[in-house]
Amino acid sequence: SQQGEEDPQALSIQEGENATMNCSYKTSINNLQWYRQNSGRGLVHLILIRSNEREKHSGRLRVTLDTSKKSSSLLITASRAADTASYFCATDARNAGNMLTFGGGTRLMVKP
Amino acid sequence: DTGVSQNPRHKITKRGQNVTFRCDPISEHNRLYWYRQTLGQGPEFLTYFQNEAQLEKSRLLSDRFSAERPKGSFSTLEIQRTEQGDSAMYLCASSSGLAGYEQYFGPGTRLTVT
Repeated sequence: SQQGEEDPQALSIQEGENATMNCSYKTSINNLQWYRQNSGRGLVHLILIRSNEREKHSGRLRVTLDTSKKSSSLLITASRAADTASYFCATDARNAGNMLTFGGGTRLMVKP
Repeated sequence: DTGVSQNPRHKITKRGQNVTFRCDPISEHNRLYWYRQTLGQGPEFLTYFQNEAQLEKSRLLSDRFSAERPKGSFSTLEIQRTEQGDSAMYLCASSSGLAGYEQYFGPGTRLTVT
């Protein structure tokens, strides 16, 4: 299975609500990154959190990292219809040449 | 626009034909990556270049696949004797080791093998 696994696989919320997505991984990492992908398009980098960081914010995004549990969460506050996309976590594992290992993604739908 | 660009954006080919994709990374990014993504799945790593050196290849990269980055700038990914299972989105990304580890992705090339 892939290094990162997102949960839930799909999430549907109303505009204005918060969305929380979780990611679990298996091996030691240098960092963990979150990406967004709109349907059929390329990935957009959202945020990177290093293994020695526990929380990071960027605008309406909040990412946490718990290396003891090998898990991360992405919180999007005050969601908008434009946030509708697939969200992927990707891990940069130690001794892995900086290749990213992606999970299967969470498909978020924000209803107006 | 100085982002990662990929050409073509879409390619339809018949089984058995060869195809070649091109990726132009962000200027001065010394690292370039190829990933493959099938419908409903996350991207899977294929190969990685630092400058012109191909440093890592996934087991997903069969003998029919070859990638080059001859001058350390743009890269090509060639698939020989395409099979229907090769149908996927092929994504290119680049990064600068100096700036951190963020990888910036191009829009992808969608390959359909009929």
